[in-house]
Amino acid sequence: GAVVSQHPSWVICKSGTSVKIECRSLDFQATTMFWYRQFPKQSLMLMATSNEGSKATYEQGVEKDKFLINHASLTLSTLTVTSAHPEDSSFYICSARSGLDATDTQYFGPGTRLTVL
Amino acid sequence: SQQGEEDPQALSIQEGENATMNCSYKTSINNLQWYRQNSGRGLVHLILIRSNEREKHSGRLRVTLDTSKKSSSLLITASRAADTASYFCATHSGNTPLVFGKGTRLSVIA
Repeated sequence: GAVVSQHPSWVICKSGTSVKIECRSLDFQATTMFWYRQFPKQSLMLMATSNEGSKATYEQGVEKDKFLINHASLTLSTLTVTSAHPEDSSFYICSARSGLDATDTQYFGPGTRLTVL
Repeated sequence: SQQGEEDPQALSIQEGENATMNCSYKTSINNLQWYRQNSGRGLVHLILIRSNEREKHSGRLRVTLDTSKKSSSLLITASRAADTASYFCATHSGNTPLVFGKGTRLSVIA
């Protein structure tokens, strides 16, 4: 089956620093990748959608200058949390889809837990 | 925006009992999916049911879909302690990516 990996699995950083999270599709090419955020005991909230080679589309209320998304290749997307603050502490999950059809299966990574001190 | 609403928010049952979780959504969908998430871990895809299907089975899982009521249910039969997790429904509508409900936290007590 399709596998999506994330790195790192967890990260602790100081307030004001930037953190980069990688999302890779290991055995398929992902035309579209999605980034979700999940606060403790809450559901997954979509942050942004990115298509390879183009700018990401951000959901309402998500600051694009704070959460930089790069989808430079068909197997890699990165999320950079810039100038992180404690309120950015969350579980970040990426998802990848190989087809162009919106109903094609989304495969999820294992998540990255970010803690900002 | 949140599409699905699960109920109950939390459910505690004894091992061997059946667990039923419900999900309601607001708009027309292409399909509805159920996922499991163990605490602090990633998502595990359980089952997908298309809008033209009414019921689907997978092992101890049974999913129903009622598009007229915009609702779905997930039944786990003969529950085990290992079924303890959060369960989310997620819907596909039009060209949007998956949108998740709030989830049900299931505790199965041995």
